[in-house]
Amino acid sequence: EVQLVQSGAEVKKPGDSLKISCKASGYSFTTSWIAWVRQMPGKGLEWMGIIYPRDSDTRYSPSFQGQVTISADKSITTAYLQWSSLKASDTAMYYCARLMFPGYYYNAMDVWGQGTTVTVSS
Amino acid sequence: EIVLTQSPATLSLSPGERATLSCRASQSVSSSFLAWYQHKPGQAPRLLIYGASSRATGVPDRFSGSGYGTDFTFTISRLEPEDFAVYYCQNYGSSQTFGQGTKVEIK
Repeated sequence: EVQLVQSGAEVKKPGDSLKISCKASGYSFTTSWIAWVRQMPGKGLEWMGIIYPRDSDTRYSPSFQGQVTISADKSITTAYLQWSSLKASDTAMYYCARLMFPGYYYNAMDVWGQGTTVTVSS
Repeated sequence: EIVLTQSPATLSLSPGERATLSCRASQSVSSSFLAWYQHKPGQAPRLLIYGASSRATGVPDRFSGSGYGTDFTFTISRLEPEDFAVYYCQNYGSSQTFGQGTKVEIK
């Protein structure tokens, strides 16, 4: 079964660093792009960025460039989303998702993780 | 960046009725790189339609998509109780963006 399993909920303070994970299984991790999507409380979906685990080619939405870092570890088939200094406005649900056709960047997202809730509050 | 505008924001319908959702792009969407997702509270989004009109694996045929260029339509032919949710369109071409969503609620 193709699955993306995300790490658990996080509660952090402003200024903290954080790295959340997305563990892939059931398919060839290196040949499909993985995207990250944000949903702020009561709001819609926002595409943050994407990584190709085979060579770590990474691209960001202009809105998120410089705000987060996306990475991947092929050896453990896991993608990551990290912050160096969290803000209260980073409070949101974060989803990882696989792009459906291997190797293709222009692609819909067919498998989603269950989401990771990040709460940033002093 | 391509901006996607969905309408209406909310659609109030009864089970068995037909739902028609619109997604309009600020510029032409390349090669119909347009998808539709269903999102229910507490669940991950679910891909329903890609390539503007192709159903994803396992998606019932009451869900359909059409359109090209800047105007796209998503239709649920007969609403089932489990179809009440928020629906998003997404452009996955040169700029990856979502519409703001249409909530399909029970009337």
